[in-house]
Order: sequence, then structure tokens, then C-alpha cells
Amino acid sequence: ETGVTQTPRHLVMGMTNKKSLKCEQHLGHNAMYWYKQSAKKPLELMFVYNFKEQTENNSVPSRFSPECPNSSHLFLHLHTLQPEDSALYLCASSQDNYGYTFGSGTRLTVV
Amino acid sequence: KQEVTQIPAALSVPEGENLVLNCSFTDSAIYNLQWFRQDPGKGLTSLLLIQSSQREQTSGRLNASLDKSSGRSTLYIAASQPGDSATYLCAVRRSGYALNFGKGTSLLVTP
Repeated sequence: ETGVTQTPRHLVMGMTNKKSLKCEQHLGHNAMYWYKQSAKKPLELMFVYNFKEQTENNSVPSRFSPECPNSSHLFLHLHTLQPEDSALYLCASSQDNYGYTFGSGTRLTVV
Repeated sequence: KQEVTQIPAALSVPEGENLVLNCSFTDSAIYNLQWFRQDPGKGLTSLLLIQSSQREQTSGRLNASLDKSSGRSTLYIAASQPGDSATYLCAVRRSGYALNFGKGTSLLVTP
């Protein structure tokens, strides 16, 4: 399989649940990202990992917890989310100064 | 902070027309600029990547130009087709790894 793969595609969770989003890239890229896309707003950067090290945390609430065990895998652990956290969560990867490749996203609904 | 603006926000054209989408950014110190396409509820598909040293890139019916000094990029779509209907996003990369996105142009091509 090639490209960036995200699972699950859809997720519905209650505010007291704990869940995780998974992202895997098969491109040999060194950097991976989480972005949030809400209605009527530009994509918002959440986290950046470069060679497994977190290099940016864009003031994201602690109820979102990223994990990058190696350069190919990225997780976003979710706990005690709010309804306003409902959005499309997109994972991406890149190599140095070249372009980004995005996954298909996880549509998250918090009820 | 880099601000990215896309005009128009929405566009409807009959099939066969040539069209231009506009993107402007406030900080000209960029590494590259990337155009993406997003279908409803889906992830982003990369269309064209222009490095800061380049003036334009072409792929099939698509041509993107970059004028870094004036902070502008255009995406030209020739002979539009209904399958081109989607949201087109412009993203600018400055120092570091983060991309700054515009809100996008929603394109509808009618048969």
C-alpha cells in the first residue's frame, strides 16, 4: 500500500470516551503532521513530528495527545472531548522542503 | 503571522470554460506554495507544488504561477469539466514545516 493511510474513516464518541486515531505513511518521509479541519475555517495545524520528535504544538488542548513511535506511524489519542472538537482530522507527511501528502482523514463526531 | 486569502470563495462555470483561481499571502519569505484539491468529506489531493525559486508549474490542464514579490499565486484550469468540481486550497510553507492554508475556492462546473 502506498501513500498516507488513516484509520478509522469515521468515529463517533461520547465526551467521556477514550479513542485513538491512527496514521501510517509508506513514503519514507521524515515529517508527519496532524491538522484539524472545521466547517468554514482554514485547516489548522495541530502537531508536527520530525524524525519522531515533536517540533511544533500549536497550542492544542491537552485532551488531544499525539504519539509518534517511529517515522512511519502517528497517533492522536483523544479523551474527554467536547462537541466543538467534532471535525475532520487529517494526517500528512512530507520530506524536507518538498510537498505534503495527505491522508483521507477521520471524520470525528463527539456526542 | 502568514495570512493566506483565496478569491473567489465560490465559483460556478459552464463546462468548457477556462478559469482562474487566486491566492494571496502576506509574507513573501516562503519556501514553496502548494495547490490542493478536496472533494466533499475527503482528504486533500496535491495538484501542483511550486518552489520559491520557480515561477510556474504545469500538469495537464492545470497551470499554477507564483509571484513571490507581490505575494500572489494563480491556478489556471483549462477547458473545465464537471469532474473538476471540488474545493481548491492554496497553502504556503514558510520556515519550519508548517503549511498555512487559505479557506479555499469551491468550484462547480455544470454540464
